[in-house]
Amino acid sequence: SQQGEEDPQALSIQEGENATMNCSYKTSINNLQWYRQNSGRGLVHLILIRSNEREKHSGRLRVTLDTSKKSSSLLITASRAADTASYFCATVYGQNFVFGPGTRLSVLP
Amino acid sequence: DTEVTQTPKHLVMGMTNKKSLKCEQHMGHRAMYWYKQKAKKPPELMFVYSYEKLSINESVPSRFSPECPNSSLLNLHLHALQPEDSALYLCASSLEQANTGELFFGEGSRLTVL
Repeated sequence: SQQGEEDPQALSIQEGENATMNCSYKTSINNLQWYRQNSGRGLVHLILIRSNEREKHSGRLRVTLDTSKKSSSLLITASRAADTASYFCATVYGQNFVFGPGTRLSVLP
Repeated sequence: DTEVTQTPKHLVMGMTNKKSLKCEQHMGHRAMYWYKQKAKKPPELMFVYSYEKLSINESVPSRFSPECPNSSLLNLHLHALQPEDSALYLCASSLEQANTGELFFGEGSRLTVL
């Protein structure tokens, strides 16, 4: 079964608004990663948060991790039309990177 | 060089054809991966090579045959595919298998099986 689960599955917002995506996972982790995928393209690594970290920032991205709830959130502030993409969380399960089902974000101009 | 290069970008093949997908990286990564991705789904792991040895085969049908000729190259040989094998095939690499670092992805090969 999947290690990570995201919600919402799809999200539409206006440019300038914030977008929040959540990810839940099932087993203990060393780190959790977020990736972005533009339609039909490869995935691009956005940010990695280690299990001993609670919050991390990178530009307009803010990631939180709650290991007690086995969940993480990705916040994109002041969204832009160019942020339109699918966002996946990923964890290492066994010896593999396993991806959640993803959130499809649409940012409307 | 932080790129993973995949060729071809698009491939259309019949069910009796034999074709190959190629992947190359020059970052000195020792783990390379093939993922399959259907529309609106996450990537699903197919194969992992670690130090040029097949480490993981996620019960992939034998019509998909991976090959790692050297530490920079990864191939996926395709033979007698089915229409349901049409998908985006993504190659990725990482410093070591399932270490604490990130995956670097290529842009994918879009495969259509007629």
